Amino acid sequence: EVQLVESGGGLVQPGGSLRLSCAASGFTFSGYWMNWVRQAPGKGLEWVANIKQDGSEKYYVDSVKGRFTISRDNAKNSLYLQMNSLRAEDTAVYYCARDLWGYGSGSFDIWGQGTMVTVSS
Amino acid sequence: DIQMTQSPSTLSASVGDRVTITCRASQSISSWLAWYQQKPGKAPKLLIYKASSLESGVPSRFSGSGSGTEFTLTISSLQPDDLATYYCQQYNSYSRTFGQGTKVEIK
Repeated sequence: EVQLVESGGGLVQPGGSLRLSCAASGFTFSGYWMNWVRQAPGKGLEWVANIKQDGSEKYYVDSVKGRFTISRDNAKNSLYLQMNSLRAEDTAVYYCARDLWGYGSGSFDIWGQGTMVTVSS
Repeated sequence: DIQMTQSPSTLSASVGDRVTITCRASQSISSWLAWYQQKPGKAPKLLIYKASSLESGVPSRFSGSGSGTEFTLTISSLQPDDLATYYCQQYNSYSRTFGQGTKVEIK
């Protein structure tokens, strides 16, 4: 079964750090771009970052540039999001999603269940 | 950055109605547009890609059209299971963008 499972969410104080993980299974992880997407409580979807198959290209939404770092370990079939200098406005459910860029599309066909990050004192 | 604007924000319709949601891009994105359905407490689900291609397993009552800057998602006959929020997303650039969402309610 093709699956993405996020972990690492939790409660963190403003200014703190957190590292999210996304474990992939059921497909050739190294063959796909991967993304992080977040959703603040009661709000819409916001794309956060993506990373190329070999990790050589990474892109971020302006609001997280310089604070968040996306990375991957193809040997472990895992995607990561290192989040530093966290702010209250980073509070959200964070999803990882598989990207079909390079396969005739750039849509996200597989999503994880999400992990909640709460930034509060 | 490319901005995506959806309308309406909320839509109320009866079972069997034809429903249309519009998504506009701030610049041309060719046909690089996807539509997603998100039910409460669940992850989004891909419905349409490349503006008009139906994802495998998605009911045929869903369809997409448009190119350039204006796109539509149509539900030909609204069903109770279609209660959800719908999002468009552009992938013309490596920096992806979602629309703000359209909540579909059943009368």
